[in-house]
Amino acid sequence: GENVEQHPSTLSVQEGDSAVIKCTYSDSASNYFPWYKQELGKGPQLIIDIRSNVGEKKDQRIAVTLNKTAKHFSLHITETQPEDSAVYFCAASGAGSYQLTFGKGTKLSVIP
Amino acid sequence: NAGVTQTPKFQVLKTGQSMTLQCAQDMNHEYMSWYRQDPGMGLRLIHYSVGAGITDQGEVPNGYNVSRSTTEDFPLRLLSAAPSQTSVYFCASSPPTSGDTDTQYFGPGTRLTVL
Repeated sequence: GENVEQHPSTLSVQEGDSAVIKCTYSDSASNYFPWYKQELGKGPQLIIDIRSNVGEKKDQRIAVTLNKTAKHFSLHITETQPEDSAVYFCAASGAGSYQLTFGKGTKLSVIP
Repeated sequence: NAGVTQTPKFQVLKTGQSMTLQCAQDMNHEYMSWYRQDPGMGLRLIHYSVGAGITDQGEVPNGYNVSRSTTEDFPLRLLSAAPSQTSVYFCASSPPTSGDTDTQYFGPGTRLTVL
């Protein structure tokens, strides 16, 4: 089955700096890669996703890049703000499959 | 439109007790699933359903049962709770797709402690 590795497990950045979280996946058939943000005591919330026919996608301060050849994808957050502090999860899923395989999460702390 | 709702928010059980975690969605989503979240482990899929009357096992199904009699509801049953089932449980749903995986919407979670 699919295996998703995520790193780093913790990340601290100064407010205004950029943050990058990286994930690798094992199944070359995977074609959907969402990123979720989880605030304390809440359920995960989708913040951005990318499909394998796209190399990069942006949404304001958030961007995701995908390298299918290397089987890795990354989340980039620019101009970080204290409210970006949360746990971020990457995930991967195959074509026509609803089953998401998640990474183990990255705890991001943005220091004011 | 309440989205995905879960009850209860918190539950404490003794080993061997049974209980049902409730999950409901009002978005007419066909796909529903249950995950458990443990520290340092991410989210792991327990069971899922692609529509009423259809369920299947995920990565960690042992000790859990599910059924899907309606599109809206997808309860998770623990028949004989064990301390290893102490976790936070999340239900998620996803709209019908044309072949591509689509966004999964998560509920707020149920924090379960088994003593």
